[in-house]
Amino acid sequence: SQKIEQNSEALNIQEGKTATLTCNYTNYSPAYLQWYRQDPGRGPVFLLLIRENEKEKRKERLKVTFDTTLKQSLFHITASQPADSATYLCAPQGSARQLTFGSGTQLTVLP
Amino acid sequence: NAGVTQTPKFRVLKTGQSMTLLCAQDMNHEYMYWYRQDPGMGLRLIHYSVGEGTTAKGEVPDGYNVSRLKKQNFLLGLESAAPSQTSVYFCASSPPTSTDTQYFGPGTRLTVL
Repeated sequence: SQKIEQNSEALNIQEGKTATLTCNYTNYSPAYLQWYRQDPGRGPVFLLLIRENEKEKRKERLKVTFDTTLKQSLFHITASQPADSATYLCAPQGSARQLTFGSGTQLTVLP
Repeated sequence: NAGVTQTPKFRVLKTGQSMTLLCAQDMNHEYMYWYRQDPGMGLRLIHYSVGEGTTAKGEVPDGYNVSRLKKQNFLLGLESAAPSQTSVYFCASSPPTSTDTQYFGPGTRLTVL
């Protein structure tokens, strides 16, 4: 069955450093992968999408990579700020227009 | 635009009671989804709809029913609530593109005693 693993449940980093979150998937080959941000008590918000033929995608301080050989996506936040503290979800495309969401990594940026 | 709205925001039920959660979107999206989110388990798809009058089962459909009578509304029903259905429920919608970027509502926190 399809499985998604996000590197750890919680990640603490110091303000100004680069946060790197990992998403590994097994038993399928998604055509694209999305990353969402979720704040406590709120619904997820779309951040970035990367397709299987793209190695890297950037948006402001965010960067996503997609390695279809390793079956892995990395999500980077450079020059992190306390406002970046949230849970980040990866979502590889599943079957028939369905996204499958990982359980998320809770990022805390310490001032 | 309000985006995706959900009613109610909170609800407490007793085992065996029934209720309906309402999701509404004003973005003219074709696709709508219902998820549940439990600690450590991520979002799990309950049911989804690819258009008015259509519904399909997701990963965890048992104990739930849905209806999409109008394009802008997607209803999730619990006929006989069980404690295992205590969760946070999210509705989402997406336009008919190939990449399914989803727009989520604020969630409904349901407790079944």
